Amino acid sequence: DGGITQSPKYLFRKEGQNVTLSCEQNLNHDAMYWYRQDPGQGLRLIYYSQIVNDFQKGDIAEGYSVSREKKESFPLTVTSAQKNPTAFYLCASSIRGQGEEKLFFGSGTQLSVL
Amino acid sequence: DAKTTQPNSMESNEEEPVHLPCNHSTISGTDYIHWYRQLPSQGPEYVIHGLTSNVNNRMASLAIAEDRKSSTLILHRATLRDAAVYYCILHFYGSSNTGKLIFGQGTTLQVKP
Repeated sequence: DGGITQSPKYLFRKEGQNVTLSCEQNLNHDAMYWYRQDPGQGLRLIYYSQIVNDFQKGDIAEGYSVSREKKESFPLTVTSAQKNPTAFYLCASSIRGQGEEKLFFGSGTQLSVL
Repeated sequence: DAKTTQPNSMESNEEEPVHLPCNHSTISGTDYIHWYRQLPSQGPEYVIHGLTSNVNNRMASLAIAEDRKSSTLILHRATLRDAAVYYCILHFYGSSNTGKLIFGQGTTLQVKP
C-alpha cells in the first residue's frame, strides 16, 4: 500500500543530543513537509521541500535541519539548539505542493526529552 | 500570511447535521481552502477542499462565501466517528509561498450519542 511512514513512533532525547526523525513516502510525491504539534495546539510548519535537493524554512525552523537527497525521503534532525523539542512531529507529502492538492500525513513521532 | 479563525469547540448530536465555520478575511485570489480532521495521536486526514465554488464529496460538503472571506464545512449526519479536531487551512499557491500550508488552532467537535 502507498503511504507515508514515520519512524520511530516514540523517541527520547538527552540534553545536548541531536536526534533524527525518519519520513519515507512511496507515493512518488515531489513535495514533503514537516510539522510540529504541541499539546492542544494546531500544526506549525518547520520545513518543506518541493523538489530533491531543495527545501525552504517554515515558521519555526530554528533548531531544526533537513535534507532531501532522495525524492522518497525527508529526514528531520532536531539539534541541541532546539531548547524545547518535546512535541508531536508530523510529516506530510503532496504531488507537487500546489494549492489544489491534498496532503497525506504520516502517523507521527512523539519526541520527549529525558 | 493569511490566517484562519475557527471556534475552539462545537457540540453536535449524533445523526444531526453539523456546520463548522471558518473565517479567512485576508485570503488571496489563488489560495485554496482545505479542511482536515485529526483524531488523538494520529496525523490529520484530508476532508475536502475548494477554491470558489461549493464542493461535495462522500465525507462532507464545503460552502464558500461569494467573497471567499469565510467558508463552512458541513457534515450532513454526524456520527461518533466524526468526533475530532477540524482544521480549516489556506493552501498558498504563489511564486513565493508555493506549497506552504498554514494550520490554525482548529475546532474540536464533540458528538453526543
